[in-house]
Amino acid sequence: NAGVMQNPRHLVRRRGQEARLRCSPMKGHSHVYWYRQLPEEGLKFMVYLQKENIIDESGMPKERFSAEFPKEGPSILRIQQVVRGDSAAYFCASSPPALTVQYFGAGTRLSVL
Amino acid sequence: GQQLNQSPQSMFIQEGEDVSMNCTSSSIFNTWLWYKQDPGEGPVLLIALYKAGELTSNGRLTAQFGITRKDSFLNISASIPSDVGIYFCAGQVNRDDKIIFGKGTRLHILP
Repeated sequence: NAGVMQNPRHLVRRRGQEARLRCSPMKGHSHVYWYRQLPEEGLKFMVYLQKENIIDESGMPKERFSAEFPKEGPSILRIQQVVRGDSAAYFCASSPPALTVQYFGAGTRLSVL
Repeated sequence: GQQLNQSPQSMFIQEGEDVSMNCTSSSIFNTWLWYKQDPGEGPVLLIALYKAGELTSNGRLTAQFGITRKDSFLNISASIPSDVGIYFCAGQVNRDDKIIFGKGTRLHILP
């Protein structure tokens, strides 16, 4: 049973470009969460999605960031017009409907040049 | 907003020693979680706690959900080199709420 799959593992972008981060949840999991982690920091919640619905986006920056979890395919975290401050590790987690516990992917490390 | 305070921020211990770390909050959580993160990897769940007062073990790890629901601790007995990493506590109020993470306790084992 494959775990949460994130790709790419590393992503380099120049300022002003777009970054697309993908997350495939574990089989049977319908809840997806995105977190951001800066060096030496804990994980900061960004957004919680179920299939085709955004449940809680209270941690998402108001501009340039968006997330989706379509009926088919992976969840996507999209960052438009990236800036240096967007450089961080972005983690996705998934959970099944009946459980609280979240299982994490290995993360995407975004570097903005 | 809700915050979790983890202490200590870092620990330097000898192999074989026992380790204790804790996590406190100014507000109540109904679920407490402990995760470990190795360098370059995502957090891995160690122990989940769902009831106040609950004491749960996973091998050499033991965690407790505080009676007040505002704290939790994690103990590691007889530490080994692979215990090195960052330990995060996390709390959740209700099932569909976001999970709040502490800033982590960094465990180092001296040779």
